[in-house]
Amino acid sequence: EVQLVESGGGLVQPGGSLRLSCAASGFTVSSNYMSWVRQAPGKGLEWVSVIYGGGSTYYADSVKGRFTISRDNSKNTLFLQMNSLRAEDTAVYYCARIDYDFWSGPNWFDPWGQGTLVTVSS
Amino acid sequence: DIQMTQSPSSVSASVGDRVTITCQASQGISSWLAWYQQKPGKAPKLLIYAASSLQSGVPSRFSGSGSGTDFTLTISSLQPEDFATYYCQQANSFPGFTFGPGTKVDIK
Repeated sequence: EVQLVESGGGLVQPGGSLRLSCAASGFTVSSNYMSWVRQAPGKGLEWVSVIYGGGSTYYADSVKGRFTISRDNSKNTLFLQMNSLRAEDTAVYYCARIDYDFWSGPNWFDPWGQGTLVTVSS
Repeated sequence: DIQMTQSPSSVSASVGDRVTITCQASQGISSWLAWYQQKPGKAPKLLIYAASSLQSGVPSRFSGSGSGTDFTLTISSLQPEDFATYYCQQANSFPGFTFGPGTKVDIK
C-alpha cells in the first residue's frame, strides 16, 4: 500500500527551527517527485517545496532561503528543515508525491500524508 | 504565476442535488487541471486529473470538464459523504503549481 506518514510538528517560538519528516512506504522516494504543501488554519492550500531526480529542489518565494527540502534514500524518507520560523508559517504541513508523466512531466499531488501541525508562537 | 479562482466560495445543497463548481485560470493551462476533495481534519484527496479523468476509486457521480482557462467540477447527485471543501490545482507551470481558494459544499 502506498502511504506517507509525517511527523515532527509542534509548537516553536518565532525565529526557531523545526524539522519535519515524511516516511514513505509502497514506493521509492528517490524515484519520484516529492513535495511539501501547507495549509494555514482555515485557509487554502499552498505549495511549499519539491525535490526530484538527483536532488533538484525548488521553493515557494515565501520560504526560500529559510526552508530546505531533502531526502534520505536509505530510510525512504522526505524532510523539511524549517529555520527562521515566522507566525505566518503556522500551518498543517502535508507531504505528497507528485505524479509524473513522461510526456507531460510532473502534474498532480497523489497520495498525501495525514499532515503535521506546526505552530509558531511565543 | 498562474492564479486560480473558484466560484462559488461556498454552496449549500441537499442530498440528491446536482452541484457545479467552476475554476478559472489566469492564463491558458490546456487540460492541466486537477480537483481535490478535503474533509475537515483530513488530507486532500485527488478526485479528477487532466481536467476530466476520474481517479481510480472515485465514484462516477463526480465529473470534470473544461480546457484552457475555464473548468467545471460536477457532482451529479450529492451524497452525505460529499460534504467537503473542493480545490482545483493547475499543473501547467512546474514548479509553481497553484491551487484555487476552495469551494465549501455544506448541507442546506
